[in-house]
Amino acid sequence: QKEVEQDPGPLSVPEGAIVSLNCTYSNSAFQYFMWYRQYSRKGPELLMYTYSSGNKEDGRFTAQVDKSSKYISLFIRDSQPSDSATYLCAMKATGNQFYFGTGTSLTVIP
Amino acid sequence: DADVTQTPRNRITKTGKRIMLECSQTKGHDRMYWYRQDPGLGLRLIYYSFDVKDINKGEISDGYSVSRQAQAKFSLSLESAIPNQTALYFCATSDGSGPEGEAFFGQGTRLTVV
Repeated sequence: QKEVEQDPGPLSVPEGAIVSLNCTYSNSAFQYFMWYRQYSRKGPELLMYTYSSGNKEDGRFTAQVDKSSKYISLFIRDSQPSDSATYLCAMKATGNQFYFGTGTSLTVIP
Repeated sequence: DADVTQTPRNRITKTGKRIMLECSQTKGHDRMYWYRQDPGLGLRLIYYSFDVKDINKGEISDGYSVSRQAQAKFSLSLESAIPNQTALYFCATSDGSGPEGEAFFGQGTRLTVV
């Protein structure tokens, strides 16, 4: 079993839709949870960062962490064509290496 | 200028050739990483270094070697390239002063082994 599982999609939605992206994990030591966005032929860029459980909101983006279920989510409201990218979840325990999901490819259709 | 710079951006090489991918950073971070990305497999860790004298194997280190020449420089070598090493390679850095530092990525090197 991989440490981090992420549905690869692809996911295709109409502009303005709410998008839900999810990851599950198996290591209860993970405390730091991240979402990266990767445009085609570019390096991943940090989108959201959450420590431990709870919600974090930044504009149209909301990150949720449920440590009891070992489940994290990223919600995108009012999705835009510019949101079309691959979204990778990432997590780590204290001071250790990063563990990445395989990424979910999202296309927002105008 | 990018904080994490990878060279070259694209490279085509022949089977059996030795090739080096270079990474330099201006973020002042101690920790540096090399990943490869393949469709459906995501990012897989090849090697990582937490300071200049520290080198650690990652998930898929066979066929690769690294050199940490300075805090700001971390090179990845393929000693004898083979076609299944065709992939997108990323260098990343993170701040080791606290446990919460996120990873910063370079723009990637697209390597094709023919």
